[in-house]
Amino acid sequence: NAGVTQTPKFQVLKTGQSMTLQCAQDMNHEYMSWYRQDPGMGLRLIHYSVGAGITDQGEVPNGYNVSRSTTEDFPLRLLSAAPSQTSVYFCASQTGQGAPGSQYFGPGTRLLVL
Amino acid sequence: KQEVTQIPAALSVPEGENLVLNCSFTDSAIYNLQWFRQDPGKGLTSLLLIQSSQREQTSGRLNASLDKSSGRSTLYIAASQPGDSATYLCAVGTGKLIFGQGTTLQVKP
Repeated sequence: NAGVTQTPKFQVLKTGQSMTLQCAQDMNHEYMSWYRQDPGMGLRLIHYSVGAGITDQGEVPNGYNVSRSTTEDFPLRLLSAAPSQTSVYFCASQTGQGAPGSQYFGPGTRLLVL
Repeated sequence: KQEVTQIPAALSVPEGENLVLNCSFTDSAIYNLQWFRQDPGKGLTSLLLIQSSQREQTSGRLNASLDKSSGRSTLYIAASQPGDSATYLCAVGTGKLIFGQGTTLQVKP
């Protein structure tokens, strides 16, 4: 298993540009989520999904959209990038929200918005 | 609102020392508590998961304990090695994790 994969690894955007951060997992996990990590702030939940076709907001959802058309993929879209979205983004997956078990994290995408 | 705090923010110890990392949370009605390791520029690796009905978990030189009544968890690392140098994060919940800010550990040879 490849686990959780994320692309790209690094991206530079100009303010106002849009982009999609890709996330895929091959473990047939129902639950997937996106976090952002900022210095001194720890990781904060952006959006999550409990299964294909179901998404919900986390702690910091503003400026981000998600969709879940398949079990494997959970892309994160920035519609109009802002400097405040400069961060490291991590995707994670788990067997199920209510199921005990470790979460698996991807390697992260470093995003710089100028 | 659940808040998770880790103290200290940074720790430097000589090789071979036993050490304890602390994690506290404000709401004792947690489902799981998980400890992660993060190497610089890398993702998170799960070290130990303690379910709410459990008191501790062990893996090799690592032992994590959970005291829900006091809102505390500790990660004990025995006989520390330079390879243990990393940032250690605790998180509560299941799925929707709430993270502490982490403790950055440096183990000097």
